Amino acid sequence: DTAVSQTPKYLVTQMGNDKSIKCEQNLGHDTMYWYKQDSKKFLKIMFSYNNKELIINETVPNRFSPKSPDKAHLNLHINSLELGDSAVYFCASSQGSRETYEQYFGPGTRLTVT
Amino acid sequence: KQEVTQIPAALSVPEGENLVLNCSFTDSAIYNLQWFRQDPGKGLTSLLLIQSSQREQTSGRLNASLDKSSGRSTLYIAASQPGDSATYLCAVDSWGKLQFGAGTQVVVTP
Repeated sequence: DTAVSQTPKYLVTQMGNDKSIKCEQNLGHDTMYWYKQDSKKFLKIMFSYNNKELIINETVPNRFSPKSPDKAHLNLHINSLELGDSAVYFCASSQGSRETYEQYFGPGTRLTVT
Repeated sequence: KQEVTQIPAALSVPEGENLVLNCSFTDSAIYNLQWFRQDPGKGLTSLLLIQSSQREQTSGRLNASLDKSSGRSTLYIAASQPGDSATYLCAVDSWGKLQFGAGTQVVVTP
């Protein structure tokens, strides 16, 4: 059983298009995250939701908009895609007290903007 | 601002040797520290989580230590195997955000 799943796994699109990435977790966790891993393999947090409420919003362009319809899902919509958006996007989830938050990651979505 | 550094950036060892991976962070106000493994083209697999009040955690051949005051953590992998080849990432949970190091790429040769 997949704990954190993402679709699609690969996404190739042209500049200017709008695209969405979906994430679902079946772990019963309250908190979900989006991370971006750039070409240098550096992982940075983008957003975090707790019980459908946005709690972390890093310095991310307004073209990126997360949506959490329920606490098991966190989708990422990207408007007007740019070349620099090419990266691997990871979804993650966690549950527990502050000190015991262990984050579980999805397999990633490789976005290529041409 | 929290900064996480991992040294070395890459490491190659023969099978059977012990691996020592280092992680340092600049702000000791952390909730926990987590070690992950990432295989090429794959997601992250959580290996160990050390709470801020703990000094170490062990799982099988893996042992991770945490010295919050000096801002250091070390991951030890005993008796390395070719299947341990991967990139190992250290991440500190600082004010609700996981801050990652750049990783150590490990190759274990048969």
